[in-house]
Amino acid sequence: GNSVTQMEGPVTLSEEAFLTINCTYTATGYPSLFWYVQYPGEGLQLLLKATKADDKGSNKGFEATYRKETTSFHLEKGSVQVSDSAVYFCALWGRDDKIIFGKGTRLHILP
Amino acid sequence: NAGVTQTPKFQVLKTGQSMTLQCAQDMNHNSMYWYRQDPGMGLRLIYYSASEGTTDKGEVPNGYNVSRLNKREFSLRLESAAPSQTSVYFCASSADTTRTDTQYFGPGTRLTVL
Repeated sequence: GNSVTQMEGPVTLSEEAFLTINCTYTATGYPSLFWYVQYPGEGLQLLLKATKADDKGSNKGFEATYRKETTSFHLEKGSVQVSDSAVYFCALWGRDDKIIFGKGTRLHILP
Repeated sequence: NAGVTQTPKFQVLKTGQSMTLQCAQDMNHNSMYWYRQDPGMGLRLIYYSASEGTTDKGEVPNGYNVSRLNKREFSLRLESAAPSQTSVYFCASSADTTRTDTQYFGPGTRLTVL
């Protein structure tokens, strides 16, 4: 079946550092890939998405590229801020019309 | 636009009690979902409704029932609560179940079963 694996946290960085959160997947066919973010005490909200190979999703300075050859969708940001502290979820929506979430990566940004 | 709303925000139950979690969306979405979130487990799909009048099991349906009351509302019922059902429950909606759709989440219900 389909699956999503993302790096375990917590990840702690200083403000203005470069961020990478790894996400790899297994799926048949061509799934859509998503990053969702959950701020403390809130529900998840979409951060970015990519629906076909080589697409790049971007939002709020975050980027992720759908790489079919490495089955990856790593999240990156060039300079993180304290306000980026949250839990980040990689997700896959496959041909079976079901969405699968990774376990989440907690990010702490220190001022 | 309120988006997706859930009630209650918090609930404490004793083992064996029943309760219904309510969810409503005002975005005219066809599809609605119930998830549970447990530490270290991410989100797991309990049930979903692809359209009004249909419901399907997700990954962890045991111990739950759902009702798609109308296009706006999708409720989750625990008939006989167990401590293993202590979790944070999220309702979500999307325009449809096509693979490019964004899911919109409610703020969650934190449930404790003693």
